[in-house]
Amino acid sequence: AQTVTQSQPEMSVQEAETVTLSCTYDTSESDYYLFWYKQPPSRQMILVIRQEAYKQQNATENRFSVNFQKAAKSFSLKISDSQLGDAAMYFCAYRSANYGGSQGNLIFGKGTKLSVKP
Amino acid sequence: DTAVSQTPKYLVTQMGNDKSIKCEQNLGHDTMYWYKQDSKKFLKIMFSYNNKELIINETVPNRFSPKSPDKAHLNLHINSLELGDSAVYFCASSQQGLQETQYFGPGTRLLVL
Repeated sequence: AQTVTQSQPEMSVQEAETVTLSCTYDTSESDYYLFWYKQPPSRQMILVIRQEAYKQQNATENRFSVNFQKAAKSFSLKISDSQLGDAAMYFCAYRSANYGGSQGNLIFGKGTKLSVKP
Repeated sequence: DTAVSQTPKYLVTQMGNDKSIKCEQNLGHDTMYWYKQDSKKFLKIMFSYNNKELIINETVPNRFSPKSPDKAHLNLHINSLELGDSAVYFCASSQQGLQETQYFGPGTRLLVL
């Protein structure tokens, strides 16, 4: 079974600085998807960024980028020029690329709570 | 336009009651899900459903049952509510073969007294 580990329960960053959130996962599959979701206090789950395992190029969405290391099974999220609105819980998630059964479900890490200091 | 909506957003009820949470998606997706987020913020799949099969997480008590009247809806029914059912429940949807991204509803906070 696949697992996702976020080793940092809490992180803090100064406004306008850069922060990196860690995520590692365990799988025997070669094709899969990885996601970062943001959950602000409003509790809405918001997709931040996604990565297909077959793509070597790291995904980027504006101030958000990932460092995807497939061999190391690592998928970290870098937030540049941090803003107050970035304060939230961040969840790393894994999804198999296979269809059928429970393989389409997201497997989540336990989350990292990010605080942004003004 | 709300992509995935849930009602109600808050639900307070007594132990032993039966309740339902509704979920609707207007994205035209073919697969819908229910996740439970516990008090420690951990998210875990409960059900996934498309028009072909229902997949139930083996840890989910049979007091929980999803009902899908049509492709755009997946409602969650809970019988004989227990204190431990208190949590936030999220509905989500996705389309097979289309980026595989799941879009979430706003969540329903359930409190069982």
